Amino acid sequence: EDKVVQSPLSLVVHEGDTVTLNCSYEVTNFRSLLWYKQEKKAPTFLFMLTSSGIEKKSGRLSSILDKKELFSILNITATQTGDSAVYLCAVRNYGGATNKLIFGTGTLLAVQP
Amino acid sequence: EAQVTQNPRYLITVTGKKLTVTCSQNMNHEYMSWYRQDPGLGLRQIYYSMNVEVTDKGDVPEGYKVSRKEKRNFPLILESPSPNQTSLYFCASSTTGQYNYGYTFGSGTRLTVV
Repeated sequence: EDKVVQSPLSLVVHEGDTVTLNCSYEVTNFRSLLWYKQEKKAPTFLFMLTSSGIEKKSGRLSSILDKKELFSILNITATQTGDSAVYLCAVRNYGGATNKLIFGTGTLLAVQP
Repeated sequence: EAQVTQNPRYLITVTGKKLTVTCSQNMNHEYMSWYRQDPGLGLRQIYYSMNVEVTDKGDVPEGYKVSRKEKRNFPLILESPSPNQTSLYFCASSTTGQYNYGYTFGSGTRLTVV
């Protein structure tokens, strides 16, 4: 069965800290891995990764994929209270419904002032 | 503005009373899907549609129905809601092309069945 596992489940840090969120997966016919940020509403897209070793970066957020070890990390540097959210990892594969995203349960990040 | 619109945002209903949650997108996306989100279980797919008149079950379809008569609309129907369908529901849409960047989500519908 395809699955996506995120760790840690939750994390509390102080403003200015750097955090690393983890996502491991076991899926057949891997196509891409996506990161989303979910505040008290719909998930919003952060990154899509398809190739190993190529870092995607947007401001203080960055992410990288390792297709050999089947995991991805999301880094947030110099955290701010506005980074507090649930971060979701999802994987898309080529089998069956080709647009289906398989989601992890998310990591709840709380950034304290 | 490109968006997915869900209604209602909040709904409290009683067991057995049929309800429909509407979803509409203005991006001409072929693919639409419904997910439910529950604590500790994450987002799980209920139904999806690859295009007009083409729908199929996701991972948790029991107790739900959908239809796709027009490309822009994909309503979720609960014929006889039960308390275990209390959840946060998201509609999502996307293109089906090679450079698909994932879903655009609606704002969510928080459903409580008592």
